[in-house]
Amino acid sequence: AQKITQTQPGMFVQEKEAVTLDCTYDTSDQSYGLFWYKQPSSGEMIFLIYQGSYDEQNATEGRYSLNFQKARKSANLVISASQLGDSAMYFCAMRGSNTGNQFYFGTGTSLTVIP
Amino acid sequence: GAVVSQHPSRVICKSGTSVKIECRSLDFQATTMFWYRQFPKQSLMLMATSNEGSKATYEQGVEKDKFLINHASLTLSTLTVTSAHPEDSSFYICSASRTGFSPLHFGNGTRLTVT
Repeated sequence: AQKITQTQPGMFVQEKEAVTLDCTYDTSDQSYGLFWYKQPSSGEMIFLIYQGSYDEQNATEGRYSLNFQKARKSANLVISASQLGDSAMYFCAMRGSNTGNQFYFGTGTSLTVIP
Repeated sequence: GAVVSQHPSRVICKSGTSVKIECRSLDFQATTMFWYRQFPKQSLMLMATSNEGSKATYEQGVEKDKFLINHASLTLSTLTVTSAHPEDSSFYICSASRTGFSPLHFGNGTRLTVT
């Protein structure tokens, strides 16, 4: 079975500081993909970053980076130089090679950036 | 630009009426689309997997006769909430993905209010 765990219901960060949002996963698949999405209050789901299970390097996309520790089954999102517009819900998700097209989502972390 | 288009973005209907929500993949042919429901401050709950040319696969606890899904073409899936009741009021969001470990692309969601 696939499972995604986000243990931080809410996080606060000072503007311009970095913040790490935690995500751990559980899967028996050898090959899988890990994703992070941002959901602002308007509701749309915005894809941020992807990490493949066989990727040797941590993924980076602008101010977003993914701290992938395969042995620990963790895929934490790091946001550098936080901006007020980063305040939103953040969801970690996984897609396994043996689960067809289905994605599994964590419960989300609400991030608030403080000016 | 938008990869998945969802309409309407907001709908208010009276109890007992039916509401149709459309989801279109704009950039690619999607043999599979997903329909999610999201309650306030909660994660996405997968309702069903929409398969082009065949019946949708519903998650446990989701009423097939209430939430009718039609995936008539490779670019269009529709969700019809039949005989809507106030408890059906929610945020419904569709998504589609290319093959492999491509990200799931989401529509902007539909906020349904049943009075």
